Amino acid sequence: GAVVSQHPSWVICKSGTSVKIECRSLDFQATTMFWYRQFPKQSLMLMATSNEGSKATYEQGVEKDKFLINHASLTLSTLTVTSAHPEDSSFYICSAPGGGGWGQPQHFGDGTRLSIL
Amino acid sequence: AQTVTQSQPEMSVQEAETVTLSCTYDTSESDYYLFWYKQPPSRQMILVIRQEAYKQQNATENRFSVNFQKAAKSFSLKISDSQLGDAAMYFCAYRSADSNYQLIWGAGTKLIIKP
Repeated sequence: GAVVSQHPSWVICKSGTSVKIECRSLDFQATTMFWYRQFPKQSLMLMATSNEGSKATYEQGVEKDKFLINHASLTLSTLTVTSAHPEDSSFYICSAPGGGGWGQPQHFGDGTRLSIL
Repeated sequence: AQTVTQSQPEMSVQEAETVTLSCTYDTSESDYYLFWYKQPPSRQMILVIRQEAYKQQNATENRFSVNFQKAAKSFSLKISDSQLGDAAMYFCAYRSADSNYQLIWGAGTKLIIKP
């Protein structure tokens, strides 16, 4: 079945550094991918929609310059948290529609736990 | 805009018993999809079951079934013969048939299984 690989699964870094998270569709092409942020005990919050070959669509309140999204190929989208600070610490999840029609569910990566010291 | 409401922040059930998680949604659309996702402590998002709005028959996947009431805009999940491995957060999600696959999420229900 459709699989989405997300890497890294856990990253700890110092405040001020930039962190890149990759999301790959392993056995299907994804023209659209979604990036979510999830706080503890809360639901998924959509940050942006990543579109292959074009600019990402950001949700209201999400800083475009802070969370850079690149979708350069049909199988890879990246989220870069620039100049990360402790408040950016969170769980980030990507997803992609599996194709096969509108009724197909999204497939999720396993998430990235980001800790900024 | 569409909204999804899960009114039960937490539910508990005895192992082997049956539990129902509620979900209601608001939409003016007639064609859409509904999903239940499970998120165990590992935080993986796992699809439990899905329902197409144009189908009157309730979806069933082994011990999981839904009660889809389109007129009432209700989409509850029934888990039969609850198992310890069912302990997780359960999220209800809505997707418009003409959207770019974007999901609208409920707040989630934490399901506790008592041994």
